[in-house]
Amino acid sequence: DAGITQSPRHKVTETGTPVTLRCHQTENHRYMYWYRQDPGHGLRLIHYSYGVKDTDKGEVSDGYSVSRSKTEDFLLTLESATSSQTSVYFCAISDIGTDTQYFGPGTRLTVL
Amino acid sequence: AQSVTQPDIHITVSEGASLELRCNYSYGATPYLFWYVQSPGQGLQLLLKYFSGDTLVQGIKGFEAEFKRSQSSFNLRKPSVHWSDAAEYFCAVVLNSGYSTLTFGKGTMLLVSP
Repeated sequence: DAGITQSPRHKVTETGTPVTLRCHQTENHRYMYWYRQDPGHGLRLIHYSYGVKDTDKGEVSDGYSVSRSKTEDFLLTLESATSSQTSVYFCAISDIGTDTQYFGPGTRLTVL
Repeated sequence: AQSVTQPDIHITVSEGASLELRCNYSYGATPYLFWYVQSPGQGLQLLLKYFSGDTLVQGIKGFEAEFKRSQSSFNLRKPSVHWSDAAEYFCAVVLNSGYSTLTFGKGTMLLVSP
């Protein structure tokens, strides 16, 4: 299994509070991704990173921001959480030239 | 825009029977295609992938998939299903090969009956 951890694994928070999810990898892969998974929607890309401090938006980026200050860490921040952001969040990694993504275990976020 | 369609939301198969999960894609060029499996409460595990070459690809756990360009399909098959195969299966296509971003289908839930 790829060395990917996500923290926290579960979180319950209230509407309007900031939330940061962390993805940590030990594979030294260049690319990192954040997805959300919702019933009936599959996985949808939120943001991705193609290097330290290099990020771009995905399909569903509104309400989310990301940062990557080190190769191994990719942070997803919900500046002001809303109930529509209740979801399971997955981090993935990929290396240059492979086009193959490996996924972390996921974080279940509930916004009340 | 690229898209991936998995027509079946749920499929029930008897243990020991054969399985075929359908995946159709819409993409202008030769796609990079993937199948992932997700067991309840778990992350996604890569089953197999197609980039080029032989259109029949073998994966882990006895799965295989066939790329058919004329039908824009990449169907997943297994000759004999085991109860442990019950899971959700996702087909995906590389959206941007430069950054390896993926577009996923909405998934097919496989139920295995005794």
